[in-house]
Amino acid sequence: AQTVTQSQPEMSVQEAETVTLSCTYDTSENNYYLFWYKQPPSRQMILVIRQEAYKQQNATENRFSVNFQKAAKSFSLKISDSQLGDTAMYFCAFMKHASGTYKYIFGTGTRLKVLA
Amino acid sequence: DGGITQSPKYLFRKEGQNVTLSCEQNLNHDAMYWYRQDPGQGLRLIYYSQIVNDFQKGDIAEGYSVSREKKESFPLTVTSAQKNPTAFYLCASTPRGQGVTNYGYTFGSGTRLTVV
Repeated sequence: AQTVTQSQPEMSVQEAETVTLSCTYDTSENNYYLFWYKQPPSRQMILVIRQEAYKQQNATENRFSVNFQKAAKSFSLKISDSQLGDTAMYFCAFMKHASGTYKYIFGTGTRLKVLA
Repeated sequence: DGGITQSPKYLFRKEGQNVTLSCEQNLNHDAMYWYRQDPGQGLRLIYYSQIVNDFQKGDIAEGYSVSREKKESFPLTVTSAQKNPTAFYLCASTPRGQGVTNYGYTFGSGTRLTVV
């Protein structure tokens, strides 16, 4: 069975600094998708960035980028120039296709606090 | 604007009562999902539906029931058989095909259920 592990329950970073959130996963599949979601205090889940496993190039979205290491099964999120609005819970998710639909397996989350 | 509407935002239930959480989407998405979120446990799948009048159990379906009579609606009933129903509940939807792997799920803003 697939699992997703986020080993950092809480992290903090100074405004304008860079922070990296770690995520590892376990799967025997070769084709899958990885996602990072942000959940701010409003509790709305917001997609931050996604990565296809068959692509070697790391995904980037403005200040957000990933370090995808397929062999090591690692998918870390780097936030550059951290802003106060980045304060949120961040979830790593593995997406697989099973039983005719796409399903997520979520990690337990990392609570990030950006300090002024 | 298209999106997912969950209601109510907060819900209180007496022990032994059934309650129904509403989820409506106007995105014309085929698949809909219910997740439960507890502190330190990430999101866990309760039920999902890929098409009207059809639904499947997720990982933690015991004590819950759903219906999918309309494409737009996927209500979740928390029954008295659910031993620990206090949690945050999230509804989500996806289109078919590559849409879900490209854009992930669209989530509602959630319902906080508390047993009193």
